[in-house]
Amino acid sequence: KNEVEQSPQNLTAQEGEFITINCSYSVGISALHWLQQHPGGGIVSLFMLSSGKKKHGRLIATINIQEKHSSLHITASHPRDSAVYICAATGNQFYFGTGTSLTVIP
Amino acid sequence: SAVISQKPSRDICQRGTSLTIQCQVDSQVTMMFWYRQQPGQSLTLIATANQGSEATYESGFVIDKFPISRPNLTFSTLTVSNMSPEDSSIYLCSVVGPSGRVGGELFFGEGSRLTVL
Repeated sequence: KNEVEQSPQNLTAQEGEFITINCSYSVGISALHWLQQHPGGGIVSLFMLSSGKKKHGRLIATINIQEKHSSLHITASHPRDSAVYICAATGNQFYFGTGTSLTVIP
Repeated sequence: SAVISQKPSRDICQRGTSLTIQCQVDSQVTMMFWYRQQPGQSLTLIATANQGSEATYESGFVIDKFPISRPNLTFSTLTVSNMSPEDSSIYLCSVVGPSGRVGGELFFGEGSRLTVL
């Protein structure tokens, strides 16, 4: 069983749609990260959360510590949002989800 | 924040050869990691690169296959030795910064996409 589970594994959306990606974890953590990986392979850190909610542009990340659950929301999705989104939990080590592959169709 | 330059970005190699991947960070960082991402898979930690001492390898990874150097706090190399097609993956360098604690923000290089024929 993976310490970090993401859903869905794959997601296709029409441009403009509201998107939610979910992440559940089973370990004690000090922080929860949302990462974005583009087709070339490079990874960018979107958010680091330890509680509550963070917003950056059209991206919103929330975390519920009691339920051990986090969500990444994308409002008004755009084709350039197409990427793999990875949830990562850090406790005494790093745990990575398997990623959600998002495709936004114009 | 930390900016990481990783090279090569991609390479195609012959079976039995070795390839060294370089990772340069624009600031001094304590914690530097090497990951492998096999096709369709998530990130797997290979080892933690320690400055001035041997790297700490995760289960399933050994120094003879993946020798790592870390001569200072801004640079590290990972060598994939005696390659086979199963080594075809993206290899990523990562650091934690700026606090250096495990709970700090993660930064990644652009990745090195390796194909072994």
